[in-house]
Amino acid sequence: DAKTTQPTSMDCAEGRAANLPCNHSTISGNEYVYWYRQIHSQGPQYIIHGLKNNETNEMASLIITEDRKSSTLILPHATLRDTAVYYCIVRPPIYNQGGKLIFGQGTELSVKP
Amino acid sequence: GAVVSQHPSRVICKSGTSVKIECRSLDFQATTMFWYRQFPKQSLMLMATSNEGSKATYEQGVEKDKFLINHASLTLSTLTVTSAHPEDSSFYICSARENEESPLHFGNGTRLTVT
Repeated sequence: DAKTTQPTSMDCAEGRAANLPCNHSTISGNEYVYWYRQIHSQGPQYIIHGLKNNETNEMASLIITEDRKSSTLILPHATLRDTAVYYCIVRPPIYNQGGKLIFGQGTELSVKP
Repeated sequence: GAVVSQHPSRVICKSGTSVKIECRSLDFQATTMFWYRQFPKQSLMLMATSNEGSKATYEQGVEKDKFLINHASLTLSTLTVTSAHPEDSSFYICSARENEESPLHFGNGTRLTVT
């Protein structure tokens, strides 16, 4: 399974963009990059995923480098409710172990007033 | 959006008893569900993959006879912690996806405390 490396923690000012980096240098061509977040004592919440192209939805944007060895999750206008642990996960294809998600330690994002 | 429901959200049981946790996909059918466990200040650890109509696949180090998984229908998987001990106290979370292209959606977890 491709491993990911994320900073342990980050701070962000409320209203500013939060840019969360993730390294996945051993990613394979058919593996997706997924981002989830977990607010304390809740189940993880799906944010976004991508393969090669940059992606955007109502929650965030995902920027994947051309060589796919790293990516950045962008929360354009962070609010206090975005304080959570953010997980970057490389997902194997479905035919490989059912596409299960293996969680790393994630980045603890603190959004401050 | 896809909703996964877990029940109960909290349970306290005595050592030696068994506890059943239910995971339901409310608005979609899920042929595959996943069960995770999370200890305080740690990340989620995958326990097993639950496949509808067949045996679950357990991760290395997870005792299949202790953590019984049943996936009898396309919308329900259950995890039974048998003969629970205090060290089984943890946050148990299930997840499911609608199809191979869909992201996994997670339940809100079950906090088990064994006294």
